[in-house]
Amino acid sequence: EPEVTQTPSHQVTQMGQEVILRCVPISNHLYFYWYRQILGQKVEFLVSFYNNEISEKSEIFDDQFSVERPDGSNFTLKIRSTKLEDSAMYFCASSEEAGKTTNEKLFFGSGTQLSVL
Amino acid sequence: DAKTTQPPSMDCAEGRAANLPCNHSTISGNEYVYWYRQIHSQGPQYIIHGLKNNETNEMASLIITEDRKSSTLILPHATLRDTAVYYCIVRVYNQGGKLIFGQGTELSVKP
Repeated sequence: EPEVTQTPSHQVTQMGQEVILRCVPISNHLYFYWYRQILGQKVEFLVSFYNNEISEKSEIFDDQFSVERPDGSNFTLKIRSTKLEDSAMYFCASSEEAGKTTNEKLFFGSGTQLSVL
Repeated sequence: DAKTTQPPSMDCAEGRAANLPCNHSTISGNEYVYWYRQIHSQGPQYIIHGLKNNETNEMASLIITEDRKSSTLILPHATLRDTAVYYCIVRVYNQGGKLIFGQGTELSVKP
């Protein structure tokens, strides 16, 4: 079965540094998402992306965050200047095959654990 | 999107059916019921969804009451690998729209 791939699985960074989390969505999907989960808390929506632009974002997704689809396969989340509170598991997801209605099944990657020291 | 209420935790014996309830008393006529699960901090995994009819797939069955104010996810023969947090999400079908996760039910399947 096709899957969403995320790299790296673990990322350690110093506070104030920039990080880029990478995702390869399922190849013929049209919608892309980033979520995060702080340890012991619920999964939180960050941003959705369609047709090369942000379609929706949450309050968490402030100016420190940006997303990009630099080529036909990758989808990235950049955190410009990391804070301690950015430490979390970050999940990428994709949905909706081109030309099909899949009723909102989001497919999630296995996540990148970001630790900010 | 309508709010859902789930018990925080449940236990189930291995091999028995696991019945996970969800209340969504404010559900609107065009809102679907979705179930996802998250196994030990892995990415959430789609299980099943429905509008008003009962649904079954290879993973589970979804029973929606006639008034649609509650539903039950049934794992017919739970295994240890079904230990996970199960999320009931109610939302309007909106292509590309986000999913909002609550706290879910932590299901422990015990030998």
